[in-house]
Amino acid sequence: EVQVMESGGGFFQPGGSLRLSCLASGFSVTGHYVSWVRQAPGKGLEWISVIYYDGSTHYANSVKGRFTISRDTSKNTVYLQMDNLRVDDTAVYYCARRLVGPYEDWFDPWGRGTQVFISS
Amino acid sequence: SSDLTQDPAVSVALGQTVNITCQGTSLKYYYPNWYLQKPGQAPLLVIYGKNNRPSGIPGRFSGSRSGNTAALTITGAQAEDEADYYCDSRDVSGIHLGVFGGGTKLTVL
Repeated sequence: EVQVMESGGGFFQPGGSLRLSCLASGFSVTGHYVSWVRQAPGKGLEWISVIYYDGSTHYANSVKGRFTISRDTSKNTVYLQMDNLRVDDTAVYYCARRLVGPYEDWFDPWGRGTQVFISS
Repeated sequence: SSDLTQDPAVSVALGQTVNITCQGTSLKYYYPNWYLQKPGQAPLLVIYGKNNRPSGIPGRFSGSRSGNTAALTITGAQAEDEADYYCDSRDVSGIHLGVFGGGTKLTVL
């Protein structure tokens, strides 16, 4: 079964750091695009980062320079290193595989998410 | 990046048909995708590409696109369809990142 599972969330302080993990099963992270998407309390979905099959990366402006996406192929895991945390980074963080067609990209599957709280 | 716009809320009577729309420049070039999200749950893909349903998604869900506007149609809405619906497409730059609409809250009356 193709699935992803996030971990690493919890309570953190502004200015601090944390690393989220996304364990993939049923597919290889080196053969697919994998993204992080977050959802602040009561808000919509916000795409924040992607790592391509070739290892190249892209970020939303809201996290550029503070967050770093990476992967460990031996563990089939994608990471999101989050530095210089801000209160508005509080959200549920989802990992999702991005599938690509000629004229479409889509997210499937999604993980269940990991909750990150940033507060002093 | 591009922006996708959705109506914040839509309602439908049980068993009737409802269209949930999404507008944006990227939709002129790329097909939309649709996800539903119920409270406390992760998003679930219901339509992708031209009009494709993942395995397990009921046939009452369908998608369409015309110009810069896309629509998710639910024909014969059921109580369990009450959820938030998000559209998404490839960014106009062609980079394989996600661009989401703001979401539509569907209420089934």
